[in-house]
Amino acid sequence: DAGVIQSPRHEVTEMGQEVTLRCKPISGHDYLFWYRQTMMRGLELLIYFNNNVPIDDSGMPEDRFSAKMPNASFSTLKIQPSEPRDSAVYFCASSLNSGYNQPQHFGDGTRLSIL
Amino acid sequence: AQSVAQPEDQVNVAEGNPLTVKCTYSVSGNPYLFWYVQYPNRGLQFLLKYITGDNLVKGSYGFEAEFNKSQTSFHLKKPSALVSDSALYFCAVRDQAGGSYIPTFGRGTSLIVHP
Repeated sequence: DAGVIQSPRHEVTEMGQEVTLRCKPISGHDYLFWYRQTMMRGLELLIYFNNNVPIDDSGMPEDRFSAKMPNASFSTLKIQPSEPRDSAVYFCASSLNSGYNQPQHFGDGTRLSIL
Repeated sequence: AQSVAQPEDQVNVAEGNPLTVKCTYSVSGNPYLFWYVQYPNRGLQFLLKYITGDNLVKGSYGFEAEFNKSQTSFHLKKPSALVSDSALYFCAVRDQAGGSYIPTFGRGTSLIVHP
Protein backbone atom coordinates (compact mmCIF):
# COMPACT_ATOMS: atom_id res chain seq x y z
CA ASP A 1 0.00 0.00 0.00
CA ALA A 2 1.14 3.50 -0.73
CA GLY A 3 1.83 5.60 2.30
CA VAL A 4 0.86 9.20 2.92
CA ILE A 5 1.92 11.27 -0.07
CA GLN A 6 2.88 14.91 0.23
CA SER A 7 3.76 17.42 -2.44
CA PRO A 8 5.87 19.30 -3.12
CA ARG A 9 8.82 17.87 -1.17
CA HIS A 10 10.59 21.20 -1.23
CA GLU A 11 9.27 24.71 -1.72
CA VAL A 12 11.26 27.92 -1.82
CA THR A 13 9.38 31.14 -2.28
CA GLU A 14 9.54 34.79 -1.42
CA MET A 15 7.86 36.47 1.46
CA GLY A 16 4.31 37.51 0.68
CA GLN A 17 3.64 34.72 -1.80
CA GLU A 18 0.88 32.17 -1.38
CA VAL A 19 2.00 28.64 -0.56
CA THR A 20 -0.12 25.52 -0.97
CA LEU A 21 0.93 22.18 0.47
CA ARG A 22 -0.84 19.00 -0.56
CA CYS A 23 -1.51 15.67 1.08
CA LYS A 24 -3.01 12.36 0.05
CA PRO A 25 -3.75 10.18 3.09
CA ILE A 26 -3.71 6.40 3.16
CA SER A 27 -6.89 5.01 1.66
CA GLY A 28 -9.42 4.10 4.34
CA HIS A 29 -7.95 6.29 7.03
CA ASP A 30 -10.50 8.54 8.69
CA TYR A 31 -8.21 10.98 10.48
CA LEU A 32 -5.83 13.45 8.87
CA PHE A 33 -3.36 15.64 10.74
CA TRP A 34 -1.15 18.56 9.72
CA TYR A 35 2.03 19.12 11.76
CA ARG A 36 4.88 21.59 11.60
CA GLN A 37 8.42 20.72 12.73
CA THR A 38 11.13 23.19 13.63
CA MET A 39 14.29 22.93 15.67
CA MET A 40 13.06 25.51 18.15
CA ARG A 41 9.51 24.28 18.71
CA GLY A 42 9.73 20.61 17.80
CA LEU A 43 6.64 18.92 16.36
CA GLU A 44 3.47 21.04 16.55
CA LEU A 45 -0.04 19.94 15.61
CA LEU A 46 -1.70 22.56 13.44
CA ILE A 47 -5.09 21.04 12.64
CA TYR A 48 -6.79 17.69 12.31
CA PHE A 49 -9.77 16.34 10.41
CA ASN A 50 -12.12 13.43 11.03
CA ASN A 51 -14.10 12.19 8.04
CA ASN A 52 -13.12 15.35 6.13
CA VAL A 53 -14.44 17.65 8.87
CA PRO A 54 -12.02 19.94 10.75
CA ILE A 55 -12.15 19.01 14.42
CA ASP A 56 -9.53 21.17 16.08
CA ASP A 57 -7.64 24.02 14.46
CA SER A 58 -6.38 25.60 17.66
CA GLY A 59 -2.81 24.96 16.59
CA MET A 60 -3.08 27.05 13.44
CA PRO A 61 -0.76 29.96 14.22
CA GLU A 62 -2.60 32.77 12.47
CA ASP A 63 -5.35 33.61 10.06
CA ARG A 64 -2.74 33.41 7.33
CA PHE A 65 -2.98 29.63 7.64
CA SER A 66 -5.94 27.67 6.33
CA ALA A 67 -6.59 23.98 5.67
CA LYS A 68 -9.20 22.12 3.71
CA MET A 69 -10.17 18.53 3.08
CA PRO A 70 -12.62 18.48 0.17
CA ASN A 71 -12.72 14.69 0.05
CA ALA A 72 -11.32 11.64 1.79
CA SER A 73 -8.25 11.43 -0.43
CA PHE A 74 -6.98 15.00 -0.49
CA SER A 75 -6.12 17.84 1.84
CA THR A 76 -4.38 21.18 1.46
CA LEU A 77 -2.62 23.55 3.83
CA LYS A 78 -2.39 27.09 2.55
CA ILE A 79 -0.35 30.01 3.82
CA GLN A 80 -1.24 33.45 2.48
CA PRO A 81 0.72 35.64 2.73
CA SER A 82 3.82 33.68 3.67
CA GLU A 83 6.48 35.03 6.05
CA PRO A 84 10.06 33.93 6.76
CA ARG A 85 9.04 32.60 10.18
CA ASP A 86 6.81 30.06 8.43
CA SER A 87 9.92 28.26 7.24
CA ALA A 88 9.72 24.72 8.57
CA VAL A 89 9.01 21.14 7.58
CA TYR A 90 5.30 20.47 7.29
CA PHE A 91 4.04 16.93 7.77
CA CYS A 92 0.74 15.34 6.98
CA ALA A 93 -0.29 12.16 8.83
CA SER A 94 -3.30 9.87 8.74
CA SER A 95 -4.70 7.18 10.99
CA LEU A 96 -7.58 4.74 11.29
CA ASN A 97 -10.69 5.55 13.23
CA SER A 98 -10.71 2.46 15.37
CA GLY A 99 -9.72 3.67 18.75
CA TYR A 100 -7.08 5.64 20.47
CA ASN A 101 -4.54 2.86 20.09
CA GLN A 102 -3.94 3.43 16.38
CA PRO A 103 -0.60 4.90 15.33
CA GLN A 104 -0.26 7.78 12.91
CA HIS A 105 1.29 7.30 9.49
CA PHE A 106 3.37 10.26 8.36
CA GLY A 107 4.30 11.50 4.93
CA ASP A 108 7.86 12.55 4.20
CA GLY A 109 7.01 16.20 4.59
CA THR A 110 7.35 19.43 2.67
CA ARG A 111 10.42 21.48 3.48
CA LEU A 112 9.30 25.10 3.15
CA SER A 113 11.71 28.01 2.92
CA ILE A 114 10.37 31.55 2.82
CA LEU A 115 12.97 34.08 1.75
CA ALA B 1 -4.20 16.10 30.80
CA GLN B 2 -1.50 14.06 29.13
CA SER B 3 2.18 14.79 28.79
CA VAL B 4 5.38 13.02 27.85
CA ALA B 5 9.02 13.78 28.53
CA GLN B 6 12.19 12.61 26.85
CA PRO B 7 14.87 13.69 29.30
CA GLU B 8 17.82 13.27 26.94
CA ASP B 9 18.29 15.41 23.85
CA GLN B 10 20.99 13.06 22.61
CA VAL B 11 22.15 9.52 23.33
CA ASN B 12 25.51 8.24 22.17
CA VAL B 13 26.29 4.55 21.99
CA ALA B 14 28.92 2.37 20.33
CA GLU B 15 27.87 -0.06 17.64
CA GLY B 16 27.15 -3.47 19.12
CA ASN B 17 26.35 -2.10 22.57
CA PRO B 18 22.83 -2.06 24.03
CA LEU B 19 20.91 1.17 23.74
CA THR B 20 18.18 2.80 25.80
CA VAL B 21 16.16 5.88 24.91
CA LYS B 22 14.13 7.14 27.85
CA CYS B 23 10.51 8.27 27.98
CA THR B 24 8.28 9.15 30.91
CA TYR B 25 4.61 10.06 30.74
CA SER B 26 1.74 11.51 32.71
CA VAL B 27 -1.95 10.69 32.14
CA SER B 28 -5.19 10.76 34.08
CA GLY B 29 -6.21 7.24 33.17
CA ASN B 30 -4.25 4.47 31.52
CA PRO B 31 -1.88 5.24 28.66
CA TYR B 32 -1.53 4.24 25.08
CA LEU B 33 2.18 4.67 24.34
CA PHE B 34 4.01 4.85 21.02
CA TRP B 35 7.55 5.08 19.72
CA TYR B 36 8.39 6.58 16.33
CA VAL B 37 11.67 6.98 14.48
CA GLN B 38 12.59 9.77 12.08
CA TYR B 39 15.46 9.39 9.64
CA PRO B 40 16.94 12.47 7.93
CA ASN B 41 14.59 14.07 5.42
CA ARG B 42 11.85 11.55 6.18
CA GLY B 43 8.62 11.53 8.14
CA LEU B 44 8.10 9.81 11.45
CA GLN B 45 7.77 6.04 11.20
CA PHE B 46 5.86 3.96 13.73
CA LEU B 47 8.05 1.50 15.66
CA LEU B 48 5.86 -0.01 18.36
CA LYS B 49 3.03 0.64 20.78
CA TYR B 50 1.79 -0.38 24.20
CA ILE B 51 -1.93 -0.83 24.70
CA THR B 52 -2.30 -3.30 27.54
CA GLY B 53 -0.95 -6.65 28.63
CA ASP B 54 2.71 -7.63 28.52
CA ASN B 55 5.01 -4.92 29.77
CA LEU B 56 7.65 -5.76 27.15
CA VAL B 57 6.59 -4.76 23.67
CA LYS B 58 8.48 -5.83 20.58
CA GLY B 59 8.55 -3.74 17.45
CA SER B 60 10.27 -3.14 14.14
CA TYR B 61 14.01 -3.35 13.44
CA GLY B 62 14.74 -5.30 16.63
CA PHE B 63 13.53 -2.57 18.96
CA GLU B 64 11.55 -3.24 22.10
CA ALA B 65 10.13 -1.09 24.85
CA GLU B 66 9.42 -1.75 28.49
CA PHE B 67 6.29 -0.33 30.10
CA ASN B 68 6.66 0.41 33.81
CA LYS B 69 3.47 1.69 35.39
CA SER B 70 4.95 2.47 38.81
CA GLN B 71 7.68 4.60 37.26
CA THR B 72 5.39 5.90 34.48
CA SER B 73 8.06 5.09 31.95
CA PHE B 74 8.22 3.51 28.52
CA HIS B 75 11.90 3.23 27.61
CA LEU B 76 12.96 2.11 24.14
CA LYS B 77 15.67 -0.53 24.01
CA LYS B 78 17.73 -2.58 21.61
CA PRO B 79 20.23 -5.27 22.63
CA SER B 80 22.82 -4.42 19.98
CA ALA B 81 22.93 -1.04 18.27
CA LEU B 82 23.67 -0.54 14.59
CA VAL B 83 25.11 2.56 12.94
CA SER B 84 21.95 2.60 10.82
CA ASP B 85 19.88 3.08 14.00
CA SER B 86 21.18 6.64 14.20
CA ALA B 87 18.07 8.80 13.95
CA LEU B 88 15.64 10.93 15.92
CA TYR B 89 13.28 9.01 18.20
CA PHE B 90 9.94 10.26 19.46
CA CYS B 91 7.78 8.96 22.28
CA ALA B 92 4.04 9.73 22.23
CA VAL B 93 1.14 9.15 24.62
CA ARG B 94 -2.65 9.14 24.48
CA ASP B 95 -4.70 9.05 27.66
CA GLN B 96 -7.31 6.28 27.52
CA ALA B 97 -9.47 8.37 29.83
CA GLY B 98 -9.13 11.49 27.73
CA GLY B 99 -11.57 12.85 25.22
CA SER B 100 -9.01 13.96 22.68
CA TYR B 101 -7.86 11.74 19.86
CA ILE B 102 -4.64 13.71 19.68
CA PRO B 103 -1.43 12.15 20.97
CA THR B 104 1.17 14.23 22.76
CA PHE B 105 4.69 13.85 21.36
CA GLY B 106 7.94 14.29 23.19
CA ARG B 107 10.58 16.65 21.85
CA GLY B 108 12.61 13.79 20.48
CA THR B 109 15.96 12.17 21.31
CA SER B 110 18.76 12.06 18.81
CA LEU B 111 20.44 8.65 18.85
CA ILE B 112 23.98 8.52 17.53
CA VAL B 113 25.57 5.13 17.10
CA HIS B 114 29.34 5.29 16.64
CA PRO B 115 31.16 2.67 14.53
